[in-house]
Amino acid sequence: AQSVTQPDIHITVSEGASLELRCNYSYGATPYLFWYVQSPGQGLQLLLKYFSGDTLVQGIKGFEAEFKRSQSSFNLRKPSVHWSDAAEYFCAVKGQAGTALIFGKGTTLSVSS
Amino acid sequence: DAGVIQSPRHEVTEMGQEVTLRCKPISGHNSLFWYRQTMMRGLELLIYFNNNVPIDDSGMPEDRFSAKMPNASFSTLKIQPSEPRDSAVYFCASSPRDWDGNTIYFGEGSWLTVV
Repeated sequence: AQSVTQPDIHITVSEGASLELRCNYSYGATPYLFWYVQSPGQGLQLLLKYFSGDTLVQGIKGFEAEFKRSQSSFNLRKPSVHWSDAAEYFCAVKGQAGTALIFGKGTTLSVSS
Repeated sequence: DAGVIQSPRHEVTEMGQEVTLRCKPISGHNSLFWYRQTMMRGLELLIYFNNNVPIDDSGMPEDRFSAKMPNASFSTLKIQPSEPRDSAVYFCASSPRDWDGNTIYFGEGSWLTVV
């Protein structure tokens, strides 16, 4: 069965510092991988996605993620965090078209000044 | 382009009342999903439809929950009778039929409080 693990429940980084949010997945074939962001009281916004090809994918708001098959990981990174990046981040995995998206438990990011 | 539209955005109801949440997927999308988000359990898939047909409803908590998709542009999630533990944010999402068929687009959510 598909599953996603986000080991860090809560992370605090200083504004301007770099960020890495961890995500590990379990899936029998090559998965489709996603990162979503949710601001308080809001819905989920797609940050980036990996389907195939280049294992380093670029997303919106300066985020990127790298797919590492050998480690079953899809970590999210940003070189310099802004206060507006404070939110909850969800990693997700799914299979072929028409199948559902399975989410991790999320990582809450706080940004300190 | 209009995204996934959910209504109501917020609802407060008394225990025992019927609650109906509504969703209009993005036009042309052929998969529709209902998710529930709580602090304790995170984001859980309740049910999803392909071409208006329910494919997997194993996430529906119990018989008090039911979902329908009478046509390609409308779906409902009904809770009857509602209980305080049903308080959560309910998200509807849809997915297109083209090459981008693996991206799911979410609505803004329906925030339900049962008192």
